[in-house]
Amino acid sequence: NAGVTQTPKFQVLKTGQSMTLQCAQDMNHNSMYWYRQDPGMGLRLIYYSASEGTTDKGEVPNGYNVSRLNKREFSLRLESAAPSQTSVYFCASRMNWGLAVGETQYFGPGTRLLVL
Amino acid sequence: AQTVTQSQPEMSVQEAETVTLSCTYDTSESDYYLFWYKQPPSRQMILVIRQEAYKQQNATENRFSVNFQKAAKSFSLKISDSQLGDAAMYFCAYRSPTGNQFYFGTGTSLTVIP
Repeated sequence: NAGVTQTPKFQVLKTGQSMTLQCAQDMNHNSMYWYRQDPGMGLRLIYYSASEGTTDKGEVPNGYNVSRLNKREFSLRLESAAPSQTSVYFCASRMNWGLAVGETQYFGPGTRLLVL
Repeated sequence: AQTVTQSQPEMSVQEAETVTLSCTYDTSESDYYLFWYKQPPSRQMILVIRQEAYKQQNATENRFSVNFQKAAKSFSLKISDSQLGDAAMYFCAYRSPTGNQFYFGTGTSLTVIP
């Protein structure tokens, strides 16, 4: 059982380049999330998708776009990378049962992105 | 947005001893969920323990337990019989039952001294 997978594991970009971070989960979860983690800042939510076909902005969406391609896959795109986007990016998924007992998130291993 | 505060950037504990990590949060909701995640050097996020606010009983998972003080909006993690493998960054997180967003604290780096 792979859980949540992310590709690539590490990427170096030049300022202004674009790239897409891929995320897939095989747990049949409804909700998927993209976070960034910076030193001393914890995890901050970029975008999330409550269900297939929907996406919503999180705390720090500027400079990013997302696509919920299907129930399994949720990609994050940087159209024009900036050094401020140097970070570790985590994808997560969750089975959203609404008011049911708080289902937790399952995280991928992270993508380390360096923008020069 | 809810805020989650972890006031201890770093903590250390002797192997086999007990350590408590602090977390406070701010919310106007009466029902919600709280979590502790562990992030070892591999950077993989691992769920340690979770607590439903409507439950008065503190959650326990083996050597890990919480002290949930709803009125004080406090959610501390106690690690008993600390092991070298417990060394990691620990994050406290909050989720509203009506929303999809999780709010994380800034983390506490735990060192276990042999």
